[in-house]
Amino acid sequence: AQRVTQPEKLLSVFKGAPVELKCNYSYSGSPELFWYVQYSRQRLQLLLRHISRESIKGFTADLNKGETSFHLKKPFAQEEDSAMYYCALSTTGRRALTFGSGTRLQVQP
Amino acid sequence: SAVISQKPSRDICQRGTSLTIQCQVDSQVTMMFWYRQQPGQSLTLIATANQGSEATYESGFVIDKFPISRPNLTFSTLTVSNMSPEDSSIYLCSVDPTSGRAGDTQYFGPGTRLTVL
Repeated sequence: AQRVTQPEKLLSVFKGAPVELKCNYSYSGSPELFWYVQYSRQRLQLLLRHISRESIKGFTADLNKGETSFHLKKPFAQEEDSAMYYCALSTTGRRALTFGSGTRLQVQP
Repeated sequence: SAVISQKPSRDICQRGTSLTIQCQVDSQVTMMFWYRQQPGQSLTLIATANQGSEATYESGFVIDKFPISRPNLTFSTLTVSNMSPEDSSIYLCSVDPTSGRAGDTQYFGPGTRLTVL
């Protein structure tokens, strides 16, 4: 069975500081990894997915199969980045998402 | 993309009653899912709603407690039956509007916040 681990419940940084939200997964095959974000009073929305290898709002994430990680990074945090971030995984055989426990990012002025 | 609406957005219910949550999508979608997000916790899949057949439930969730309907490709309902305070959660509908390939984006509804007294 697949599993997603986000070790940090809360990450607090100052504006302009680098951010790294950690995500590790366990799955024996080739997973598809996603980062979803939930801003205050908004619905859950896709931030980025590894298959498209894009940068959204300055965030990037690289799939490291050796370390089974998909950490989310941004070089300079902005206050508007404050939100709940969820790492999630799906597979060819299981389209539903398996979510990590989430990390709350607080960017202080 | 897909635009998803849910009704009701929130409700407060008495123990022992049932509530039906509706999920409406603005386009035909192959796959629809129901998740639960208990207070302070992450999202957990309840079931996959299959059009024209019974839903596929995850371990720990049963049809008698969470009956699901999927009459067509744009609509689904989830009923929370014989509710107890432990059922107090946010219930979310999500869809995969494309081919159902791994890596495709899933879209989420706004959620239904349920409080059981």
